Amino acid sequence: DARVTQTPRHKVTEMGQEVTMRCQPILGHNTVFWYRQTMMQGLELLAYFRNRAPLDDSGMPKDRFSAEMPDATLATLKIQPSEPRDSAVYFCASGLGRGQRISYEQYFGPGTRLTVT
Amino acid sequence: AQSVTQPDIHITVSEGASLELRCNYSYGATPYLFWYVQSPGQGLQLLLKYFSGDTLVQGIKGFEAEFKRSQSSFNLRKPSVHWSDAAEYFCAVGASYGGGGADGLTFGKGTHLIIQP
Repeated sequence: DARVTQTPRHKVTEMGQEVTMRCQPILGHNTVFWYRQTMMQGLELLAYFRNRAPLDDSGMPKDRFSAEMPDATLATLKIQPSEPRDSAVYFCASGLGRGQRISYEQYFGPGTRLTVT
Repeated sequence: AQSVTQPDIHITVSEGASLELRCNYSYGATPYLFWYVQSPGQGLQLLLKYFSGDTLVQGIKGFEAEFKRSQSSFNLRKPSVHWSDAAEYFCAVGASYGGGGADGLTFGKGTHLIIQP
């Protein structure tokens, strides 16, 4: 049963610390998405990659957030320095893209619940 | 830019009763529409999707949804709910591009479904 995995599942950190969240997409999927879920804003797209190249990161605060795909089996989302307003659940999703911009179905990981105190 | 409205924040339904969750979208072209379900502490699971063709689509767990272009709606239905259907339900829209596609999704704020015994 192929699944998207995310680590850690929970993270509590102090303001100013660096946070790294990891995602392993489903084997064979070439598109990876990062979403953030908060009570106030709901689910927001932060960034996504196709074949490890960033396609869109317009939803991501550039000054403190960065997303990378070091290889096809690992995507990372880093926050440095973290702030209390970053507290949220961060979801990774993967899909199979064809052509220029296609990911018909996205499969979500269980999320990383981040609390910044 | 596309948007999704789920007008009902909470819905309470008796077990065995029928269910309809509303979703309205705003998008200039033919949208790609999805319904996801999220159980507490879990990631999102795809219930069903609409890309083209038959406007009534069947999904998992006995759910179905109907695309109505004239009303810009994609309402989710189930004829008889079970206690295990209690969860958060999200409608989402993906943009279409030449050749098709969905890519980063825009989600509604969700509808919290409560099942009464």
